[in-house]
Amino acid sequence: DQQVKQNSPSLSVQEGRISILNCDYTNSMFDYFLWYKKYPAEGPTFLISISSIKDKNEDGRFTVFLNKSAKHLSLHIVPSQPGDSAVYFCAAGSSNTGKLIFGQGTTLQVKP
Amino acid sequence: NAGVTQTPKFQVLKTGQSMTLQCAQDMNHEYMSWYRQDPGMGLRLIHYSVGAGITDQGEVPNGYNVSRSTTEDFPLRLLSAAPSQTSVYFCASSTYGQGSYEQYFGPGTRLTVT
Repeated sequence: DQQVKQNSPSLSVQEGRISILNCDYTNSMFDYFLWYKKYPAEGPTFLISISSIKDKNEDGRFTVFLNKSAKHLSLHIVPSQPGDSAVYFCAAGSSNTGKLIFGQGTTLQVKP
Repeated sequence: NAGVTQTPKFQVLKTGQSMTLQCAQDMNHEYMSWYRQDPGMGLRLIHYSVGAGITDQGEVPNGYNVSRSTTEDFPLRLLSAAPSQTSVYFCASSTYGQGSYEQYFGPGTRLTVT
């Protein structure tokens, strides 16, 4: 039973355009959400997070949106850069348990 | 700060062998966890710990044991390796109960079971 799903395995965008990565979750106990970026042969690195009490969080070119009623979050990257090419994982957690559950990942390719 | 360190980086085992993947962190984090990454499956939680002496199961705990005798170390034991355990293993740590849930990951251990 996959509690966190990223239904798009890959996404390709042109440099300078917007990248939108999507994530759905099923467990209503999740109260915080994070996005991680991963390059080959490296561990994932934290990108941005959002608490369930918010619906938007921005950090430079990265914005995460949370729609609790739809159990959906998205990551917007504007403008996209070739260095953004990586695998992006969304993750959801419950502050009660501390467990963090990850999605399957979306491979983003930003073409120059 | 070294952050989260994992050893070894690569390991090849024969079916039935046992081994321990080491993980250490120097950030005084209470929370530590182990994940495995497989193609198309993302990162799946194996075991986690919210402090020394406390461990719990994640999504895919079968075939793995953990213990947490110190805050710094969280080893993962494979009791009898199987080809299905061929994967890349990541250890992570974070603070716990302080409103910040960002986990810091190690560089990973690539394990092949033949």
